[in-house]
Amino acid sequence: LAKTTQPVSMDSYEGQEVNITCSHNNIATNDYITWYQQFPSQGPRFIIQGYKTKVTNEVASLFIPADRKSSTLSLPRVSLSDTAVYYCLVGAADTGRRALTFGSGTRLQVQP
Amino acid sequence: ETGVTQSPTHLIKTRGQQVTLRCSSQSGHNTVSWYQQALGQGPQFIFQYYREEENGRGNFPPRFSGLQFPNYSSELNVNALELDDSALYLCASSSPGQGLNEQFFGPGTRLTVL
Repeated sequence: LAKTTQPVSMDSYEGQEVNITCSHNNIATNDYITWYQQFPSQGPRFIIQGYKTKVTNEVASLFIPADRKSSTLSLPRVSLSDTAVYYCLVGAADTGRRALTFGSGTRLQVQP
Repeated sequence: ETGVTQSPTHLIKTRGQQVTLRCSSQSGHNTVSWYQQALGQGPQFIFQYYREEENGRGNFPPRFSGLQFPNYSSELNVNALELDDSALYLCASSSPGQGLNEQFFGPGTRLTVL
């Protein structure tokens, strides 16, 4: 399994754009990059998944360079409610019937 | 559409006891995974059930066992509880054909072992 490295914590202010970068130097050809968000006392929630270039949904954007050895989750104009832990996961996308491997995540604190 | 539910929300046990945690999967999902999340850590995979059969297991001892029922709900049983078993236990459901690494998590059961 590809190991991921991401910052332990980040701070931001409301209205700013937040970019969280994840390194995954040993990513395999058939691996996808998936991000989850977890609020205190809740289970993680799927945010976005991509394979290469850029993926955007109503919550976030995911930027993946050509070598795929890193990825950046971009949260536009964060609010206090975006304060959470964000996890970067790397693995094959086999239709959800697999074990998800979480690291320690990035703790994002959004200040007013 | 009903989401993933877990019961109980909190539980306190003493060392050596046994515990059973329950999970109801999201409607239409036939796969249930269980994770253990220690304080300040990411969730760690315990095992997964697909159509009532164990479909993969993480690095957890045999005293962690599970079941999946015909309605796809699931139980996690832990025998001979140890202090280190204190954690948030998360259940996640999913369904083949989604095409994504998307699992839908419940709110978890907070287990405290004294």
